[in-house]
Order: sequence, then structure tokens, then C-alpha cells
Amino acid sequence: QKEVEQNSGPLSVPEGAIASLNCTYSDRGSQSFFWYRQYSGKSPELIMFIYSNGDKEDGRFTAQLNKASQYVSLLIRDSQPSDSATYLCAVDNQGGKLIFGQGTELSVKP
Amino acid sequence: SAVISQKPSRDICQRGTSLTIQCQVDSQVTMMFWYRQQPGQSLTLIATANQGSEATYESGFVIDKFPISRPNLTFSTLTVSNMSPEDSSIYLCSVPRENTEAFFGQGTRLTVV
Repeated sequence: QKEVEQNSGPLSVPEGAIASLNCTYSDRGSQSFFWYRQYSGKSPELIMFIYSNGDKEDGRFTAQLNKASQYVSLLIRDSQPSDSATYLCAVDNQGGKLIFGQGTELSVKP
Repeated sequence: SAVISQKPSRDICQRGTSLTIQCQVDSQVTMMFWYRQQPGQSLTLIATANQGSEATYESGFVIDKFPISRPNLTFSTLTVSNMSPEDSSIYLCSVPRENTEAFFGQGTRLTVV
């Protein structure tokens, strides 16, 4: 059974701080990794994807992938109250079929 | 990114009835996926809707309960049959883009009473 695990939340950070969200996966053959943000009552929104080991930066977001450790993380710099949401880690199982982690709820306090 | 229209956006249904959810994409796609998100839970893949062939269901999901149609490359439906309160969830369709990242419709929030 392929699994995706995220660090349990909720995670609370003060405004302006760095939020760190972590995810591990069990299938060593996984190639594609995604971070989705989901606001309450809304559908998931893709914010980052990463395929290669290392870091990928997009604005305030940095995704980090370590395939040897089967670990992917998302860093949010200068966290804003509008970043408060549930963040879902997803791993591509086979051509667009995604396995999701349970999600980490992030709360950014003003 | 693809534009995905899903309807209805929400519905309240009586137990024992069925609801059909529609998903329309603005471009042709080979595969469409249906997910379920139960209250407070993450997303679980129900099935892959393939054009011109039977849908492929994940473990724990069966065609009798969740029949799927895929009449063309831009449209799919998911029916939730003989509903019970346990079927109360958000149902989402998604399509992959060229790098396999999935884009989601706005979801259908189903409440079964």
C-alpha cells in the first residue's frame, strides 16, 4: 500500500515567520511531487510541483525534495494570515493519479 | 491550465436516491479522475474515467455504487447510487496537465440526509 504521510498539525506560526511543512512517501519509484493548498470549503489549488532532488523556489514558496530519504517539504517564507489553510502533499502514482497525504492545517497568527 | 466546470456545486439528497455529478473540461484530455474528500479527511481517488472504455476503480470503490460515464474527451459523469449518510463528502474531478500535475474542478459538496 503506497502511502504519503504529513506531519501532524495544526501548525501555528506568527505572521512573518517561516512555515515548514513536511511529507514522506513510501514508494521509492515515485517521480512527481505536489503541494496543494486548500482553503476551507474550497477545492485544492496547486501551488508547487517538484521532480528533481534539491530546492525549487517560487516567490515565497520553496519545495525541497530528497528522493534518497523519500522526503519532500514546503517552506513558506514571510508567512501571511492569508496563507492559513490546509496544505496537502501529493505523490504521482501513475500518470496523473495522485496519492494524497492527510494534510497539515497551517494557521498564521497576525 | 485547463478550465474545469463541475456541477452541481452542492446538493442535499435523501438517502436511497442517486446523484449524478457532471465534469466538463475546456480541452480534450485522455484521462479524467474522480476523487472523494470525506469530512475532515484528505482526498481519495475513486476511479479513472477513460474515454471509450470502462472506468478503472480503486480498491474499495465499485461500479455499482459509483458508475462513471465518459462519452467524449471533454466530459465525464460520476453517479453516487443508493446514497447513505456515509456518502456525504466533497466529490472532485481532476485532469492532468502535461507534467502530470492535477487540476481540480470546484467540487460537489454532497449531504445525504
